[in-house]
Amino acid sequence: AQTVTQSQPEMSVQEAETVTLSCTYDTSESNYYLFWYKQPPSRQMILVIRQEAYKQQNATENRFSVNFQKAAKSFSLKISDSQLGDTAMYFCASLSNTGKLIFGQGTTLQVKP
Amino acid sequence: AAGVIQSPRHLIKEKRETATLKCYPIPRHDTVYWYQQGPGQDPQFLISFYEKMQSDKGSIPDRFSAQQFSDYHSELNMSSLELGDSALYFCASSSQALGGYTFGSGTRLTVV
Repeated sequence: AQTVTQSQPEMSVQEAETVTLSCTYDTSESNYYLFWYKQPPSRQMILVIRQEAYKQQNATENRFSVNFQKAAKSFSLKISDSQLGDTAMYFCASLSNTGKLIFGQGTTLQVKP
Repeated sequence: AAGVIQSPRHLIKEKRETATLKCYPIPRHDTVYWYQQGPGQDPQFLISFYEKMQSDKGSIPDRFSAQQFSDYHSELNMSSLELGDSALYFCASSSQALGGYTFGSGTRLTVV
């Protein structure tokens, strides 16, 4: 069974600083997809970034980038130049071969002015 | 661009009542997924449909049932509601051919 683990329940960062959220996963699939979702107070699920396991290059989306370590089954999210609007719950997720997403427990990120 | 539409946005029901949640996927998306997110919890997969057939099933109570209709919209029916069913229910859709995985805004169900 696939599992996703986020070991940081809460994180905080000063505005304009950089923060890294950790995620580890376990899967028996040879090819798979990993995601980071943002859930602000509105509770909307917003896709932040995705990584395809067969691609060695780390995905990047503007201020968001990942550090994908396939052998270690690690998938961390780095947020650069943090903004107040980045305050949210962040979920790491893996996509199963049936299409369902398996989420980690989430990390609450607070960006402080 | 069209998004995944869920209705209603908010729903308040009493214990033992029945609730029906609706989901309208993005046009040309053939797969629908339902998730339940309790307070302070991560979303948990309930059930999915591909081309109107159930494709996968998660931790969905027997009191819940769902189906996907010919126009690809889906409905989640919840009977004999319990206080513990209070949660945010998300629907997501995707296309086997086109990819994509998009969430709706969710239905917040409160059971009193």
